[in-house]
Amino acid sequence: AQSVAQPEDQVNVAEGNPLTVKCTYSVSGNPYLFWYVQYPNRGLQFLLKYITGDNLVKGSYGFEAEFNKSQTSFHLKKPSALVSDSALYFCAVRDMWGTSGTYKYIFGTGTRLKVLA
Amino acid sequence: DAGVTQSPTHLIKTRGQHVTLRCSPISGHKSVSWYQQVLGQGPQFIFQYYEKEERGRGNFPDRFSARQFPNYSSELNVNALLLGDSALYLCASSSPDRGSGNTIYFGEGSWLTVV
Repeated sequence: AQSVAQPEDQVNVAEGNPLTVKCTYSVSGNPYLFWYVQYPNRGLQFLLKYITGDNLVKGSYGFEAEFNKSQTSFHLKKPSALVSDSALYFCAVRDMWGTSGTYKYIFGTGTRLKVLA
Repeated sequence: DAGVTQSPTHLIKTRGQHVTLRCSPISGHKSVSWYQQVLGQGPQFIFQYYEKEERGRGNFPDRFSARQFPNYSSELNVNALLLGDSALYLCASSSPDRGSGNTIYFGEGSWLTVV
């Protein structure tokens, strides 16, 4: 079964410092991996995805993620954190089955990022 | 272009009642999925619909049902509400373009409180 794990409940970083939010995955076949961000009392916003190709994926708001097949990781990164980046971040993997293209996303438990001024 | 829109944004229901949540996908998107997010957890898959047909169902009881209309909008229905149904219900839509990796885009959600 496909799964993702986010080992950190919370990450604190000072404004201007680089940030990393960790995600590891377990899949059969090629992984389709995603990062979403959720601000308080809001829905989830798509940040970036890895399907194939370059291991470094660039996304919205200056975020990027590095796909590492040998370590089965897909960590979210940003070179310089902003206070406004403080939010809940979810890693997800797409699980597809059957012949009709049925799929669902499996989400991690989320990591709360706090950027301190 | 408008994103995924959901209604209502907040509602309070009593145990045993029924609720209907509505969703309009992004224009051109034909697939709609529903997720439940309980406080402190990641979203859990409830249903996927494509071209008005149910394509997938998560591990939820039969009290949960959904449908998709010819204009690709969707409704999620929950009968005999329990306290544990209190959650944020998220609708997501995706493009039929498989090359996009079936990226799903979420609405702002409907907050359901069961008392």
